Amino acid sequence: AQKITQTQPGMFVQEKEAVTLDCTYDTSDPSYGLFWYKQPSSGEMIFLIYQGSYDQQNATEGRYSLNFQKARKSANLVISASQLGDSAMYFCAMRETPRSQAGTALIFGKGTTLSVSS
Amino acid sequence: DVKVTQSSRYLVKRTGEKVFLECVQDMDHENMFWYRQDPGLGLRLIYFSYDVKMKEKGDIPEGYSVSREKKERFSLILESASTNQTSMYLCASSFGQGVYYEQYFGPGTRLTVT
Repeated sequence: AQKITQTQPGMFVQEKEAVTLDCTYDTSDPSYGLFWYKQPSSGEMIFLIYQGSYDQQNATEGRYSLNFQKARKSANLVISASQLGDSAMYFCAMRETPRSQAGTALIFGKGTTLSVSS
Repeated sequence: DVKVTQSSRYLVKRTGEKVFLECVQDMDHENMFWYRQDPGLGLRLIYFSYDVKMKEKGDIPEGYSVSREKKERFSLILESASTNQTSMYLCASSFGQGVYYEQYFGPGTRLTVT
């Protein structure tokens, strides 16, 4: 079963509008972290926002906010006032509690391509 | 600023060649990771290392090996490259084992095996 599910392969939005990118996750750990990354066409992965499973409030970073609904196991990214430069692929990722000294790596979803038009 | 560098942005190799992809980080991070990215599949973990000479298999280790002789350097090795290993390879590093540590990524190496 997939640990991270992003059901929207592509999303289209006009400049200055808000857009929500969906992400659901699957874990039985009580402690975990959720991350969103942006990947422009140049290829680099840019960290956007983090939400911890015990955080009481939804994370916000500038125009990015994370709509965290723990009971539904969803961690949707909301981008307010979209800009042309927001056109990119967006990945949701999760890190679970390490079981050993080895630790754990981020588990990624398949990504959503966002296209912003003027 | 954390910097993760990869030895090549683009690489073209022939089937059967031994291929080395190098990754270096400059922030004394304990953990280093290799992912491959393919369209429609997202990022899949190949191997990671949590200390010098220590490694763990990821989801798709077949056909790959890794080496970490120094803390700052993590190498991915394709022992005998095949066309199905044509992909984008991303290296990353992170500081500790807590769930809150983000991973910092290199610019990626786009490998083509012909």
